[in-house]
Amino acid sequence: GESVGLHLPTLSVQEGDNSIINCAYSNSASDYFIWYKQESGKGPQFIIDIRSNMDKRQGQRVTVLLNKTVKHLSLQIAATQPGDSAVYFCAENMSLNDYKLSFGAGTTVTVRA
Amino acid sequence: EAQVTQNPRYLITVTGKKLTVTCSQNMNHEYMSWYRQDPGLGLRQIYYSMNVEVTDKGDVPEGYKVSRKEKRNFPLILESPSPNQTSLYFCASSLLEYNSPLHFGNGTRLTVT
Repeated sequence: GESVGLHLPTLSVQEGDNSIINCAYSNSASDYFIWYKQESGKGPQFIIDIRSNMDKRQGQRVTVLLNKTVKHLSLQIAATQPGDSAVYFCAENMSLNDYKLSFGAGTTVTVRA
Repeated sequence: EAQVTQNPRYLITVTGKKLTVTCSQNMNHEYMSWYRQDPGLGLRQIYYSMNVEVTDKGDVPEGYKVSRKEKRNFPLILESPSPNQTSLYFCASSLLEYNSPLHFGNGTRLTVT
């Protein structure tokens, strides 16, 4: 079946470096994507979203890139900080009439001091 | 403060003893949903509701019930809990607008022995 998945379950990053978290999706009908951050003991927190008519969207220290040709989504975090340590999920909404999101398994990001 | 509130945060119970996990949101959101989170499986949708008195099954509804008598509340009911329902549960809500991100509660960790 089609699903949202992440390339790597864990990512270790030096503080101050840029982080890149990847997500592959297989459903070409997906037209809305979201990145969530989940800190220990908390629920997922919305970071940034992107629609399929866009290739790139920037937020505060974060950028999401969408490559529809290879069905790839990435989240870039600039100047990674200790507070960025968390599990990051990508999620997709597969149709205009469906409010349900499908989530990937997550990437655990650990920031080294 | 805009938030989704779940109670309790932690719950240990025995097989077969009915329990209810409450969820309340103060954002006047039409859409509410319950997810369970298990290692390696990501977030899976249990039930969702698009408005008062309207509920639908998600991907893993077996063993669960929900109700939506008021817009702000969406309780999750386990009539006869079993050990395979041991999990971390999240309630979420959003506006009923396409591409409106979900807001999550901080989770309820349930253990069924």
